[in-house]
Amino acid sequence: DIQLTQSPSFLSASVGDRVTITCRASQGISSSLAWYQQSPGKAPKLLIFAASTLQSGVPSRFSGSGSATEFSLTISSLQPEDFAIYYCQQLKSPPFTFGPGTIVDIK
Amino acid sequence: QVQLVESGGGVVQPGNSLALSCAASGFSFMNYAMHWVRQAPGKGLEWVALISYDASKKYYADSVKGRFTISKDGSKNTMYLQMSGLRAEDTAVYFCTRERTGYYSEYWGHGTLVAVSS
Repeated sequence: DIQLTQSPSFLSASVGDRVTITCRASQGISSSLAWYQQSPGKAPKLLIFAASTLQSGVPSRFSGSGSATEFSLTISSLQPEDFAIYYCQQLKSPPFTFGPGTIVDIK
Repeated sequence: QVQLVESGGGVVQPGNSLALSCAASGFSFMNYAMHWVRQAPGKGLEWVALISYDASKKYYADSVKGRFTISKDGSKNTMYLQMSGLRAEDTAVYFCTRERTGYYSEYWGHGTLVAVSS
């Protein structure tokens, strides 16, 4: 099975900051990676798919990059509504594992 | 618009069974793969199962393999998760999701809570 790790697990930042979250896969997954955002009490929301493609309706301050085993999600200028938990997920082969999540908190 | 509505959650004793449903609307149900994803209280997301668009392929997490069965009924636009041999660690909110191409979960329901407790 493919394992995903995320770093950092917790990130404290201010509005306007640029933040980057990393997701690493235990084996190569090409570009078969998604990023989701989950706000408290809500279902997750797809932000990025195929490692770097922005989902329709998602603000352009979100971007994704990477391939094979190392991926990143960048928020160019953090907004109040971006304080949430972010998860990566690999869709290369089942089981379609999620990373453990990164909490982005207000400094 | 796409809507996914889960139902069937509740409190169940360990070892018992429960069936979840996910009623879909707003799209051609048999054209899309769908997932079940769960989230234990205060924990992260855990992928549970996927059924392909035509139900010809089904995949499961190791933690539920042999106990859970995913299915879909095109005549009712509904996906199901039949859960048996439930354990305390199956306690979670269960979400159904619809893919966009590549199995990415584009649409999510609001979830249904399953609590396994004696």
